[in-house]
Amino acid sequence: DARVTQTPRHKVTEMGQEVTMRCQPILGHNTVFWYRQTMMQGLELLAYFRNRAPLDDSGMPKDRFSAEMPDATLATLKIQPSEPRDSAVYFCASGAIRSDEQFFGPGTRLTVL
Amino acid sequence: AQKVTQAQTEISVVEKEDVTLDCVYETRDTTYYLFWYKQPPSGELVFLIRRNSFDEQNEISGRYSWNFQKSTSSFNFTITASQVVDSAVYFCALSEIGDDKIIFGKGTRLHILP
Repeated sequence: DARVTQTPRHKVTEMGQEVTMRCQPILGHNTVFWYRQTMMQGLELLAYFRNRAPLDDSGMPKDRFSAEMPDATLATLKIQPSEPRDSAVYFCASGAIRSDEQFFGPGTRLTVL
Repeated sequence: AQKVTQAQTEISVVEKEDVTLDCVYETRDTTYYLFWYKQPPSGELVFLIRRNSFDEQNEISGRYSWNFQKSTSSFNFTITASQVVDSAVYFCALSEIGDDKIIFGKGTRLHILP
């Protein structure tokens, strides 16, 4: 049963610290998405990749957030320095090109104190 | 611009009642997909259905049914004989065919009371 995996599942950190979240997409999927979910804003698309190339990161605060795909089996989302307003659940999703269907990971719940 | 509106923020019904979750969308494209996702209290997002804009046939899957009406740009979701396990946040979403991005509505939180 292929699934998207995300680590860590929970992260508590202090303001100013660096946070790295990891995602392993489903094998064979060519698109990877990062979303942030908060009560106020709902689900927001932060960035997405196709064939490991970043296509759109307009939803991401560029000064502190960065997203990369070092290889086809790993996507990372980094926040440096973290701030309390970054507290949210961060979801990774993957999909096959042109399928328009996305499979979501379990999310990383981030709390920045 | 694409937009998905779920006007119902929160709904509560008693178990066994039928409930309909509304979804209205906006897009300038003539070819698009519509989706529903479920987010139970455990937090994961579960895919429920995808419909493309060419197919306005209603869909039924067990107690779930979806009513797609292009004339009113709506894609409503009905749960028949609701159960406590249906309690979750439900998201309606839209993507233009050929575009990888999915635009989500704000979600409707559904409480099924025993």
